Amino acid sequence: DSGVTQTPKHLITATGQRVTLRCSPRSGDLSVYWYQQSLDQGLQFLIQYYNGEERAKGNILERFSAQQFPDLHSELNLSSLELGDSALYFCASTGVTDTQYFGPGTRLTVL
Amino acid sequence: GIQVEQSPPDLILQEGANSTLRCNFSDSVNNLQWFHQNPWGQLINLFYIPSGTKQNGRLSATTVATERYSLLYISSSQTTDSGVYFCAVLQYTGGFKTIFGAGTRLFVKA
Repeated sequence: DSGVTQTPKHLITATGQRVTLRCSPRSGDLSVYWYQQSLDQGLQFLIQYYNGEERAKGNILERFSAQQFPDLHSELNLSSLELGDSALYFCASTGVTDTQYFGPGTRLTVL
Repeated sequence: GIQVEQSPPDLILQEGANSTLRCNFSDSVNNLQWFHQNPWGQLINLFYIPSGTKQNGRLSATTVATERYSLLYISSSQTTDSGVYFCAVLQYTGGFKTIFGAGTRLFVKA
């Protein structure tokens, strides 16, 4: 158990809908990363937050947004969902060592 | 952007065999990590190794930053080592942008 939690574990929704994925980092970790893992694109970095502020951005679509709250949990919002958004979404957190600890992931299926 | 290439893409080993996985990257990086994704999908950090050599049990890793590659050694492989091994490099751009390689899929036969 990495200490990073993600909810929900599974999510099934329809095209055009909006969903919110939640991540709680390990106790004391200030940094949260979001990733998308799909069969055709592999593991893709989406965005990083540090203590509530956005720090780095990767291949995140404009339909996706994220935020980190004062209690350090983070949410990834996916809107106007398309079939191609079906994937495993991971978050990871880091503390002082920059070693990334991953949560169990949320499997999103868009029908 | 930076390119990360892993080899081999697939590897089948008999239990007890040793193996070396390679990660090449195209630009200087601030950080390099190796991960194992088990058959249940969980990603586990193996090494944080921007340079030098580290060992953890049957696993060890070496990064030669000046030559832009890293190696992961697995000795006396076990069936529980099966899964996908990813190399990830991080570049500091005000925050850490992470780029993953495509992974090496390992299957260890009993």
